[in-house]
Amino acid sequence: QSVLTQPPSASGTPGQRVTISCSGSSSNIGRNYVYWYQQLPGTAPKLLIYGNDQRPSGVPDRFSGSKSGTSASLAISGLRSEDEAHYYCAAWDDSLSVYVFGTGTKVTVL
Amino acid sequence: EVQLVQSGGGLVRPGGPLRLSCAASGFSVSSKTMNWVRQAPGKGLEWVSSIVQSSSDIYYADSVRGRFTISRDNAKNSLLLQMNSLRADDTAVYYCASGWAGGFDYWGQGTLVTVSS
Repeated sequence: QSVLTQPPSASGTPGQRVTISCSGSSSNIGRNYVYWYQQLPGTAPKLLIYGNDQRPSGVPDRFSGSKSGTSASLAISGLRSEDEAHYYCAAWDDSLSVYVFGTGTKVTVL
Repeated sequence: EVQLVQSGGGLVRPGGPLRLSCAASGFSVSSKTMNWVRQAPGKGLEWVSSIVQSSSDIYYADSVRGRFTISRDNAKNSLLLQMNSLRADDTAVYYCASGWAGGFDYWGQGTLVTVSS
């Protein structure tokens, strides 16, 4: 059972902005960096955001991350059909000494 | 070019062992923290284990601690996961991944482990 909670689904039309939330606690998001991963159907996950709000080389600037207190968010602006995927937040949990993934959010492009 | 190529998955009976391998190219597995992540059919991602760069720190999820062992074969530049006492709920696609503070930046293609009689 994940300790990081995400909405199960989110959707938008092409060009819209979609935001995904990730709720944690003081032992994980509150103290440590948040990461975001994108998983396209049938493929391995891909790192989208590290260090709360940093994009690896090659990730479009349409993707942005933020963190406030014990919550984090991923925003996708200018939504495109190829953004249809599952998105997972993640963080280290100091109390449990485990790496935790969020419950995952399926983004649908209408 | 960095690449992680996995092998070793398959069908195994409950209680049996299985070993997964993850061969790295483009970097040395001893120079980065390495990780295993799994995904049960139709479910989300679950972190399994990490071996820190220095190899002195190893972490396991509660669900696998005492049954799984993560290690590195530096001679073969590979990450290993020895899985013992396998259970039906260990059935999943297993991914290896490199990295830590900068995120899990490179991932293997995944290998399916099915535990069934």
